[in-house]
Amino acid sequence: DQQVKQNSPSLSVQEGRISILNCDYTNSMFDYFLWYKKYPAEGPTFLISISSIKDKNEDGRFTVFLNKSAKHLSLHIVPSQPGDSAVYFCAASPNSNSGYALNFGKGTSLLVTP
Amino acid sequence: ETGVTQSPTHLIKTRGQQVTLRCSSQSGHNTVSWYQQALGQGPQFIFQYYREEENGRGNFPPRFSGLQFPNYSSELNVNALELDDSALYLCASSLGGLREGTEAFFGQGTRLTVV
Repeated sequence: DQQVKQNSPSLSVQEGRISILNCDYTNSMFDYFLWYKKYPAEGPTFLISISSIKDKNEDGRFTVFLNKSAKHLSLHIVPSQPGDSAVYFCAASPNSNSGYALNFGKGTSLLVTP
Repeated sequence: ETGVTQSPTHLIKTRGQQVTLRCSSQSGHNTVSWYQQALGQGPQFIFQYYREEENGRGNFPPRFSGLQFPNYSSELNVNALELDDSALYLCASSLGGLREGTEAFFGQGTRLTVV
């Protein structure tokens, strides 16, 4: 069963505007969340993360928001740039000081047009 | 500081054969995880090694096995290959447990095609 869901397979945004990518999860044991970006023929690249004790984490143009009660998180990219065009994966895990497994969504393909 | 490297980048095998994929973890990282990414899907967790011991396993059959070496590099072995094993295999390394600042970093992957 898919415990992390990204319901939008694709998103198209104009350069300079905001991109909002959404992610929902079902497992209440998840308390650490990450976003990865993936270009074709490359491995996923870590973007930003958030733990459940926070509701927002910001890093430059990227901000992740977490709503634990709704089991929902989102990634905001402002302003969007053509180089941001890639597949974005949401991932979640129970927090652990030893082993963990990242549970990924199916990804959202973002296209930023000039 | 070197990143995560995987070899080979591409591989074609025949159904029933065995395959070994290799991963060198990022310098200083003692934890390696393996993921399978089928076309159009997100990566699926296969297993994880921490200091040479298996430390968690996903829903994959025993013909998927692995090793971690003292230098923290790792191998993924798949026996009796099936057509559905065709996928991108990703290795990720991290330092210990998952918490802020110790996120997993991925290699570029090995594309395995089973014919």
